[in-house]
Amino acid sequence: QQQVKQSPQSLIVQKGGISIINCAYENTAFDYFPWYQQFPGKGPALLIAIRPDVSEKKEGRFTISFNKSAKQFSLHIMDSQPGDSATYFCAASRRAGGTSYGKLTFGQGTILTVHP
Amino acid sequence: GAGVSQSPSNKVTEKGKDVELRCDPISGHTALYWYRQRLGQGLEFLIYFQGNSAPDKSGLPSDRFSAERTGESVSTLTIQRTQQEDSAVYLCASSLQQGRKNTEAFFGQGTRLTVV
Repeated sequence: QQQVKQSPQSLIVQKGGISIINCAYENTAFDYFPWYQQFPGKGPALLIAIRPDVSEKKEGRFTISFNKSAKQFSLHIMDSQPGDSATYFCAASRRAGGTSYGKLTFGQGTILTVHP
Repeated sequence: GAGVSQSPSNKVTEKGKDVELRCDPISGHTALYWYRQRLGQGLEFLIYFQGNSAPDKSGLPSDRFSAERTGESVSTLTIQRTQQEDSAVYLCASSLQQGRKNTEAFFGQGTRLTVV
């Protein structure tokens, strides 16, 4: 019940295109869904996050779409740029309650390559 | 400090030796997490600290792994009798507790451990 499944494993997009990465979760107790961006040799950095009381959140070129009934959420990167080439991880956690609130359960990651 | 700091950045050790990995969280962050990232994989949760207590150690893979934390400061992850399967990047993250919620987790750059 703790798994978060992410797809695709890798994605190649042309500059200016739309990158879409999908995640599905099982644990209905999760109430916080962040996306992290990781460049080689660096730790993951928070990109954007959503709570389940909204269906969409947009920050610049990055949008999270959230479907609570399907237990799925996705990251859309509009006008993808070569500088967006990185590994993207979805994650889920309980922000409050339980014994380890804030503990993140991560998807397996998606390697995004944006060609110029 | 300005961010989460981990040392060493890289560690090569011989099979059977013990290693200590250090994490300096962001000042004032009461929550601290250790994760392991194997090559091409997502992040696996290891242990969670709230202050200097560890309410969730469920991710530690074996009794060769242990961690401690001094107050709300430095944490050390110790791996005894290292095995080749312990080779991975070990990431530390910290976050601020507000009431019974933890805020955004900030990650360090990780320690790349190679067991030869």
